Amino acid sequence: AQSVTQLGSHVSVSEGALVLLRCNYSSSVPPYLFWYVQYPNQGLQLLLKYTTGATLVKGINGFEAEFKKSETSFHLTKPSAHMSDAAEYFCAVRRMDSSYKLIFGSGTRLLVRP
Amino acid sequence: KAGVTQTPRYLIKTRGQQVTLSCSPISGHRSVSWYQQTPGQGLQFLFEYFSETQRNKGNFPGRFSGRQFSNSRSEMNVSTLELGDSALYLCASSIGTGSAYEQYFGPGTRLTVT
Repeated sequence: AQSVTQLGSHVSVSEGALVLLRCNYSSSVPPYLFWYVQYPNQGLQLLLKYTTGATLVKGINGFEAEFKKSETSFHLTKPSAHMSDAAEYFCAVRRMDSSYKLIFGSGTRLLVRP
Repeated sequence: KAGVTQTPRYLIKTRGQQVTLSCSPISGHRSVSWYQQTPGQGLQFLFEYFSETQRNKGNFPGRFSGRQFSNSRSEMNVSTLELGDSALYLCASSIGTGSAYEQYFGPGTRLTVT
């Protein structure tokens, strides 16, 4: 069965500092991988996704993630945090077959200190 | 293009009652998925519909049901509400297949069961 682990339920950074949110997946074959962001009282917004090909994926709002098969990881990074990045971030996987359901990690709340 | 619309946004029900939530997908999207989000269990997949047929189902009791209409709008119903059903219910509409498949989420319906 597939699963997703996000290390750290809360991450706090200073404005302008590097953002690193960790995600590891468990799957017999590499799945499709996603990062979503959720702002208070809103739904989920897709930041980026990995399907096949280039392992470094660039997304919206300056975020990027690198797929590392050997480490079964898909960590999310942003070089310089902005106050507007404060939100909850979810890593998700989907099997590369006819399944169309997303399996989500437990989420990481990012706090940005001024 | 208008996004995913969910109605109502907020709902308060009493234990034992039933509730129906509605989701209007993005124009042209034929797949609709439903997720339950709670602080304790996180984001969990309920079911997915494509062209009026349930294509995938999560591990929820039979009290949770859904349907999709010919115009792709979807409803989910929860009967005999329990306190634990209090959650944010998210609908996502989707287009594409395989690696091109992406889910776009609505703002959610927050259900409170008292």
